[in-house]
Order: sequence, then structure tokens, then C-alpha cells
Amino acid sequence: DAKTTQPNSMESNEEEPVHLPCNHSTISGTDYIHWYRQLPSQGPEYVIHGLTSNVNNRMASLAIAEDRKSSTLILHRATLRDAAVYYCILRDVIAGNQFYFGTGTSLTVIP
Amino acid sequence: DTAVSQTPKYLVTQMGNDKSIKCEQNLGHDTMYWYKQDSKKFLKIMFSYNNKELIINETVPNRFSPKSPDKAHLNLHINSLELGDSAVYFCASSQVQISILGGLRTDTQYFGPGTRLTVL
Repeated sequence: DAKTTQPNSMESNEEEPVHLPCNHSTISGTDYIHWYRQLPSQGPEYVIHGLTSNVNNRMASLAIAEDRKSSTLILHRATLRDAAVYYCILRDVIAGNQFYFGTGTSLTVIP
Repeated sequence: DTAVSQTPKYLVTQMGNDKSIKCEQNLGHDTMYWYKQDSKKFLKIMFSYNNKELIINETVPNRFSPKSPDKAHLNLHINSLELGDSAVYFCASSQVQISILGGLRTDTQYFGPGTRLTVL
């Protein structure tokens, strides 16, 4: 499975933007970049995914480097509810690999 | 409506017992999964299953077995429970989405709330 590297933890002030980085230097051409998050005592939830172009949805934005070896999840205004562990995952359905969650980034939002 | 549900939410049992955790999804997805999250919060896939194929993570003991009575359900049976089986177990489901970009495909997984299993 292609692996990702994320910082173990990050902090952000409430209502400020947060940029969560992810390195995936061994990404293949058919890997999609997925982001999930896990709030305390809950199951993981989908945040966003992309292949080559930047993506926006109601939860976040995903900025993908031109060489696809890194990406950044952007939360435009962090709220206390965004405190969670954020996982960056590479997913290649064609290859049949499984979701590999890694250790993720634990985001703390400071009021 | 809950998309992916699991029962029970908590399960406390003695070593050596056999137990089951149930999972149901009402999303019409064709693939379901079981994950284990240990005390260090590391989330690891155990099985993925659709009506055609069961994929088993090779590290999963054969005391664990998935049972799918129909497309919407994937139950997890555990025989001869051990202390190390204590963890939170998550069920998930997904449906492969066809991309207009060169026919590539990906999927989005929807997770249940988890079952906290404690083996005494």
C-alpha cells in the first residue's frame, strides 16, 4: 500500500484557517487522495477526495501539488467541532488495495 | 436515518466466549468492511466483502469470521475470545464510483459508530 506521512499533531485557534499537510511521495497514477477524520468516540467520517485537481466541498478544500506527491487539507474556519484526528489515505480501487489509515494528525482547536 | 449501524455499542465478555457483532447499512452499497481500532487508536482493516469476494487481512486470526446473510448486513463472529481482542470494532460500507476522468474509479467509505469490546 502506498503510504502517507502526516504530522502527529497540530493546533489551531478557533475561527482561523487550518492547513493540514500530507506527503505521499510514492503515489501512483491511479491513487486517489482521500481525507477522513475521526471525532472523539466516533467512527471515521469522509471529508474530501481528489485525483489531480483541487477540490472544494462544504466541509473543506483539498489542494493537490502539481506532482501529486503532497496535498493539503484546508479547513477555512476551524471550529471546536473540528477537533479530531485527520487521516490522509491513498486509495487505488483498481489495484484492489485496502484503506490504510496510518496515524493521522490530531488537530486541537483552541477557543 | 442511520446509514451504517452496529449492535451492540458495548460488549463485555469473558475470555474463551464466542460473540457476534452485527452491522447493517441502508445505503445500498455493495461492499462492506470490518476494522479494528486498538488502544493506541491505530485503525486497521480486517475484512472487506462484497457478494463476490471476501478479502481477509492476513494478520487476522481465523477465530474471526465475517458472515453476510444479505447485501445489507455483515456480521462479525469471534470465537474463543482473548484479552488482546479488546478494541473498538468499526463496520463500514462503500460503493465504487465511476469517474468521468479516464474511467478511474474510487469509493467513499461510511462508518458505523463502533462497538467497544472488552474481554475480561
